[in-house]
Amino acid sequence: QKEVEQDPGPLSVPEGAIVSLNCTYSNSAFQYFMWYRQYSRKGPELLMYTYSSGNKEDGRFTAQVDKSSKYISLFIRDSQPSDSATYLCAMRRTGNTPLVFGKGTRLSVIA
Amino acid sequence: GAVVSQHPSRVICKSGTSVKIECRSLDFQATTMFWYRQFPKKSLMLMATSNEGSKATYEQGVEKDKFLINHASLTLSTLTVTSAHPEDSSFYICSARDQARASGNTIYFGEGSWLTVV
Repeated sequence: QKEVEQDPGPLSVPEGAIVSLNCTYSNSAFQYFMWYRQYSRKGPELLMYTYSSGNKEDGRFTAQVDKSSKYISLFIRDSQPSDSATYLCAMRRTGNTPLVFGKGTRLSVIA
Repeated sequence: GAVVSQHPSRVICKSGTSVKIECRSLDFQATTMFWYRQFPKKSLMLMATSNEGSKATYEQGVEKDKFLINHASLTLSTLTVTSAHPEDSSFYICSARDQARASGNTIYFGEGSWLTVV
C-alpha cells in the first residue's frame, strides 16, 4: 500500500459545481497536510495548509483533515474554468521532513 | 508571500554535457531545500534533501554522482545534472520550508525547470 493514495481522475465538472477531492494515507505520523494546485508545465502552488485534524476555509476552498480515518479532503465551491488544474495532496511528519505526495487529481471545469 | 525562484525555467543541452539549476528562497532563509523530479502526468518524486552547509541526503535509486547538490547558503541550493543523457530529460522542481513563519511548516515550490537533453 502506498503511503498516500489519491484518485488521479480525470474529474470533469460543470462551472459552478462543488468539487470534492480527497486522499487517504497510511502513516499515522503525518501531522501536516497540504493541498497544491499545479497548472500544466508549472511548479505546484500552495492552496491550503492544515495542521492535525480539523477544517480550514479560505475563500472558495475548504480543507478537512480526519486523522482518525486517515482521510483528507479539499472542497472547491462555485468552481470556475480557471480552477482546471491538477490538485496534489501532500503531507509530512514533524521535523525537517519532505512532503509525501499523492498522484494528483486532474480537474476540468467546463464553462 | 514567500517565494521560491528557480532558474533556468527551460534548458536544452547536448548529451554528455552538464547543466546547473538554481533554487533560491527570495524572502526567507531555508536551511533545508528539497529537489523533486516529475515526469509528464506523474506526481513529484523526491530526489534529495539539500541541507545548508552539509552533504545532501539522496533518496534510494538516485545517483549522487550524477545529480550533484550544493547548498552553499541559506537562500541558494543548486542541482547539477552531470553528463546528461536523454533519459534525464524531465521537469525538476525545488522546494523550501519557511521555518520562520507562524505556520512554521509551509513548504513552497519553485516554478520548476524543464530539462531537455538532445
